[in-house]
Amino acid sequence: GDSVTQMEGPVTLSEEAFLTINCTYTATGYPSLFWYVQYPGEGLQLLLKATKADDKGSNKGFEATYRKETTSFHLEKGSVQVSDSAVYFCALRSMEYGNKLVFGAGTILRVKS
Amino acid sequence: EPEVTQTPSHQVTQMGQEVILRCVPISNHLYFYWYRQILGQKVEFLVSFYNNEISEKSEIFDDQFSVERPDGSNFTLKIRSTKLEDSAMYFCASLLERTGGIEAFFGQGTRLTVV
Repeated sequence: GDSVTQMEGPVTLSEEAFLTINCTYTATGYPSLFWYVQYPGEGLQLLLKATKADDKGSNKGFEATYRKETTSFHLEKGSVQVSDSAVYFCALRSMEYGNKLVFGAGTILRVKS
Repeated sequence: EPEVTQTPSHQVTQMGQEVILRCVPISNHLYFYWYRQILGQKVEFLVSFYNNEISEKSEIFDDQFSVERPDGSNFTLKIRSTKLEDSAMYFCASLLERTGGIEAFFGQGTRLTVV
């Protein structure tokens, strides 16, 4: 079945550092891809999405490009802030029966001032 | 901005009791989901619902679980006889397909504590 693999965390960075969180997927067809963020004690918020190959999703300084050739959707940010500390989940919308969202395990990001 | 609303935000229940978790999805969305997240762990798929019926369910979604959309707006998850291991955050989500892509939104979650 469809699956998402994320880099293990936690990722600890200093403020203004460059962030990359790797995400690769295995899926039937051409799924839509998402990054969700979960701040401490809160629910899941959609951060960005891409629906087809070479699409770039962006929001709040975060970017991710849908790479079909490498089946990847890596999350990047040029300069992280303490307020970016959260858990980041890569997800795909399965094209299999049911159309469910399949999540990666999540990557904890800690940003120090 | 439209949002998915879940109630209650926190529920404490005794083992063996029935609980109903409620969700109001975004009104024009067509696909509905329940997920759960045991503290500090992965977000796990439970069930998807489309056209007033279950379209897929996971191994977790056994006979103790059921879902309903009784009145066209609420979307409920019932756990018939709760176990300690049902303690988790439960998230409802709704999804709309539209030209140019899809939108999937999650509620804030219900934290279920079984004691």
